[in-house]
Amino acid sequence: QVQLVQSGAEVKKPGASVKVSCKTSGYTFTGYYMYWVRQAPGQGLEWMGWINPNTGGTDYAQKFQGRVTMTRDTSISTVYIEVTSLTSDDTAVYYCARVRGMGDMAAPYWGQGTLVTVSS
Amino acid sequence: EVVLTQSPGTLSLSPGERATLSCRASLSISNSYIAWYQQKPGQAPRLLIYGASSRATGIPDRFTGSGSGTDFTLTITRMEPEDFAVYYCQQHDDSPFNFGPGTKVDIK
Repeated sequence: QVQLVQSGAEVKKPGASVKVSCKTSGYTFTGYYMYWVRQAPGQGLEWMGWINPNTGGTDYAQKFQGRVTMTRDTSISTVYIEVTSLTSDDTAVYYCARVRGMGDMAAPYWGQGTLVTVSS
Repeated sequence: EVVLTQSPGTLSLSPGERATLSCRASLSISNSYIAWYQQKPGQAPRLLIYGASSRATGIPDRFTGSGSGTDFTLTITRMEPEDFAVYYCQQHDDSPFNFGPGTKVDIK
């Protein structure tokens, strides 16, 4: 069965960077796009960008361009998101998600979420 | 970039009642690529509907999606206790794959 397992909670100081991982299993890693979504406390879902695990190609929401990098390691079927220059506004639960298939970016599979807290 | 709005912001219902949730897009959505997700506190979102009207695997048939162009609807025919949650629509047609702000369905 498809599983997405994310790394544990992080506490960072303003100005620092954070890197969250999402290890996948149960399917062909390179066959499905993945994306990252975050949710600030008490707020809605915010789409951040996608990565093509086959090519490493990415596309980021304009808000995050220059500050977010998505990468993958095909040898361990894992995708990563790194967010730099953290501020308190980046405090959120970060989710990875796998899409349904080629050309269909609805996401039936989600990681459990990783809480990133930015605090001095 | 497509902007999604959802209404109402909050819907108060009793178990057994019908829920009608609206999602409106700022631009016409090609292929009716609108998805609906359910989210409960402390949990990841759960895909209910994709392509405006197709139910995801394992989703009960009391959940129905409809609509085209810019106006889409999620209907829950009879609210069960486990259906009280927040519901988000998402356009999955073109990047950025934005979400709407959500509709909270709570118990009256």
